[in-house]
Amino acid sequence: DIQMTQSPSSLSASVGDRVTITCRASQGINNYLAWFQQKPGKAPKSLIFGASSLESGVSSKFSGSGFGTDFTLTISSLQPEDIATYYCQQYNSYPWTFGQGTKVEIK
Amino acid sequence: QEQLVESGGGVVQPGRSLRLSCVASGFTFNKYGMHWVRQAPGRGLEWVALIWYDGSNKNYMNAVKGRVTISRDNSKNTLYLQMNSVRDEDTAVYYCARDRGLRGVYGIAVWGQGTTVAVSS
Repeated sequence: DIQMTQSPSSLSASVGDRVTITCRASQGINNYLAWFQQKPGKAPKSLIFGASSLESGVSSKFSGSGFGTDFTLTISSLQPEDIATYYCQQYNSYPWTFGQGTKVEIK
Repeated sequence: QEQLVESGGGVVQPGRSLRLSCVASGFTFNKYGMHWVRQAPGRGLEWVALIWYDGSNKNYMNAVKGRVTISRDNSKNTLYLQMNSVRDEDTAVYYCARDRGLRGVYGIAVWGQGTTVAVSS
């Protein structure tokens, strides 16, 4: 199985800060990488697919990049409504696997 | 508006069976692969199973192979997850999710709100 490792596990940043989350795959996954946002008590929401394609209706403050084994999710200007846990997930091969999540909080 | 609504969760004793359902609306159900993803309390997301748009191919995570069956009824726009011989570690919120394509290779685009399964004696 492909292991997905996110860093950091949690972060605290100020409103307006630029936030970057990293995701590393244990083997190459081309660009078959998605990012999801999950707010407390809610279902996940799709943000990005294909490593860098923004899901329809998702704010352009979210962006993704990467190919192969190393990927990043960036929030350009952190806002209170962005408080959530963010997960990366590979869909290059089955079984699909998720990162352990990054909890984002406001400082 | 694309929507997935799960049901069928509840408290179940170890070793018993449970069937989860997911009703789809707002899109053409028979044109998409479908998935189940679960989340144990306080834990991360875990992919469980996939079924192709026509039900002709299925794939499962190793921990549930032989105990869990994914199926679909395209005439009812409904996805199912039959869980047999449930174990404590099956306790989780189960999410139904829609793929972007027919055969489950383009990633998840839509999520349901989840249904909770608690395995307890």
